Amino acid sequence: QVQLQESGPGLVKPSETLSLTCTVSGGSVSSGSYYWSWIRQPPGKGLEWIGYISYSGNTNYNPSLKSRVTVSVDTSKNQFSLKLSSVTAADTAVYHCARGVGSSYPDYWGQGTLVTVSS
Amino acid sequence: DIQMTQSPSSLSASIGDRVTITCRASQSIGRYLSWYQHKPGIAPNLLIFAASSLQSGVPSRFSGSGSGTDFTLTISSLQPEDFATYYCLQSYSSPLTFGGGTKVEIK
Repeated sequence: QVQLQESGPGLVKPSETLSLTCTVSGGSVSSGSYYWSWIRQPPGKGLEWIGYISYSGNTNYNPSLKSRVTVSVDTSKNQFSLKLSSVTAADTAVYHCARGVGSSYPDYWGQGTLVTVSS
Repeated sequence: DIQMTQSPSSLSASIGDRVTITCRASQSIGRYLSWYQHKPGIAPNLLIFAASSLQSGVPSRFSGSGSGTDFTLTISSLQPEDFATYYCLQSYSSPLTFGGGTKVEIK
């Protein structure tokens, strides 16, 4: 059974960089069949796809966030990461990592971690 | 971006009821539509992919249908563990986009 677990600071100051890591167990980030995604949900709002990375490092980001987002993968640790720069209160959300079937739908998700942007 | 309009936004139903949730895409997405169940604090659970394929391990009371722009998720007989929020997702084109969600509550 594939499991994903997000980790990182729960509080980030405005204008700083949000950094989260997703640790994958029961599967390998090196698998060519899957893409590794980040998705977020602001309080009281819907889900927003942030972007994904393939095992080979190919990335695809939501244009609404593209200028501020970097997703990377660390095959040695079986992890992938999200960096979101210049954050504001609008970036406060529960952030989920997920495994995508190819560049398509996610089949396994992490439970999510709340990140609050506040001074 | 492809807009996904999900309805209703919430509904109240009783155990054993048949529940139908719809999702409409702003343009044709073929069958690139998946459905998720989400409960607070728990990882979202994939129910249906490719519009009508049941994910392994998901009870058969869940079913999906549709193609093009109009899609439906049906729960044939609502069970206590089905009270949750349901989302559709289009993966036809980037950026992937979700419906606004349907909260299924106990009547």
